Amino acid sequence: NAGVTQTPKFQVLKTGQSMTLQCAQDMNHEYMSWYRQDPGMGLRLIHYSVGAGITDQGEVPNGYNVSRSTTEDFPLRLLSAAPSQTSVYFCASKQTGGAETQYFGPGTRLLVL
Amino acid sequence: GNSVTQMEGPVTLSEEAFLTINCTYTATGYPSLFWYVQYPGEGLQLLLKATKADDKGSNKGFEATYRKETTSFHLEKGSVQVSDSAVYFCALSGGGTSYGKLTFGQGTILTVHP
Repeated sequence: NAGVTQTPKFQVLKTGQSMTLQCAQDMNHEYMSWYRQDPGMGLRLIHYSVGAGITDQGEVPNGYNVSRSTTEDFPLRLLSAAPSQTSVYFCASKQTGGAETQYFGPGTRLLVL
Repeated sequence: GNSVTQMEGPVTLSEEAFLTINCTYTATGYPSLFWYVQYPGEGLQLLLKATKADDKGSNKGFEATYRKETTSFHLEKGSVQVSDSAVYFCALSGGGTSYGKLTFGQGTILTVHP
């Protein structure tokens, strides 16, 4: 199993540009989520999905869109990038159940100029 | 809402020293508690977890006990190694409307010198 994969590893954008961060998992997990990691703030939840066709907002959803058309894929879209979105983005997945372990991807480092 | 507070870092230790990283939480109901570790340039991976009061999670020489009376989940290791240098995150997963969502502490950077 590849686990959770993310692309790209690193991206530089100009303010106002759009892009999609890709996330895929091959563990047949129903629950997937996106976090951003900023210095001194831990990880904060952006959006999550409990299954194909179902998404919901996390703690910091503004400026980001998601969709979940398949169990495997959970892309994160930035419609108009802003410097405040400079961060490291992690995708995670897990089995349903509150105590189940979340498996994280290697991350995408995004710089918005 | 849910919150997690970790001790301020960074923490610098010599090899074979004793490690404690404090973690306290605020949550409604009965959360599950986790410690995740992030090695340089990598994503997070689960180190240990506990799902109910008085449970002790353990892995790779690390331990943490779920203390409901003090709302704490402190991470300990008796003898650290250089390879333990990483960022450590305490996290909780609550029930109810926060089902499945992880709330993280700010992370503690650990550096172990030979």
